[in-house]
Amino acid sequence: DQQVKQNSPSLSVQEGRISILNCDYTNSMFDYFLWYKKYPAEGPTFLISISSIKDKNEDGRFTVFLNKSAKHLSLHIVPSQPGDSAVYFCAASVMGNDMRFGAGTRLTVKP
Amino acid sequence: GAGVSQSPSNKVTEKGKDVELRCDPISGHTALYWYRQSLGQGLEFLIYFQGNSAPDKSGLPSDRFSAERTGGSVSTLTIQRTQQEDSAVYLCASSLVSGNEQYFGPGTRLTVT
Repeated sequence: DQQVKQNSPSLSVQEGRISILNCDYTNSMFDYFLWYKKYPAEGPTFLISISSIKDKNEDGRFTVFLNKSAKHLSLHIVPSQPGDSAVYFCAASVMGNDMRFGAGTRLTVKP
Repeated sequence: GAGVSQSPSNKVTEKGKDVELRCDPISGHTALYWYRQSLGQGLEFLIYFQGNSAPDKSGLPSDRFSAERTGGSVSTLTIQRTQQEDSAVYLCASSLVSGNEQYFGPGTRLTVT
């Protein structure tokens, strides 16, 4: 069963605009959420995380929002740059254990 | 380098043969994870090692899959009697302790013909 879902397999945005990547989860016990970015032929790299005690975490152009009541999190990238083009994976865990990943969303930022 | 390394980067094998995939985690990282990414799929958890504790094997898809972690460092994922559906990219990750962000290796692309 897929406990972490990324329902949009792809997203295309114009350079300079905002990219919003969405993620839904079903397990209410998840308390730690992460976003990873993956370029072709490379392993995923950690991007940003948020714990369930927060509803927002910001790091430069990247902000993650968590809505626990809706079991939803999102990653905002603003302004988007062509170098942001990659596959983005959402992940969730319970006390750091048993991390589950979504299927990924391929972001394309057009110049 | 100081990152997670995996070998080989690519492996082509015939159906029915055994394969071994190697992972060298970041030095000092106590947690080590194996994942599989099949074409068009997300990351599928396979197995997790934490220190000297018994590994969490709950993600292994069949008894043809096994993994070892020797001396708390290098790990080997073994797939016996490979099948075509085993074709995927196998990713290894490590973290300082369980719960921290994971650092991934570049993966091993396995193709079973």
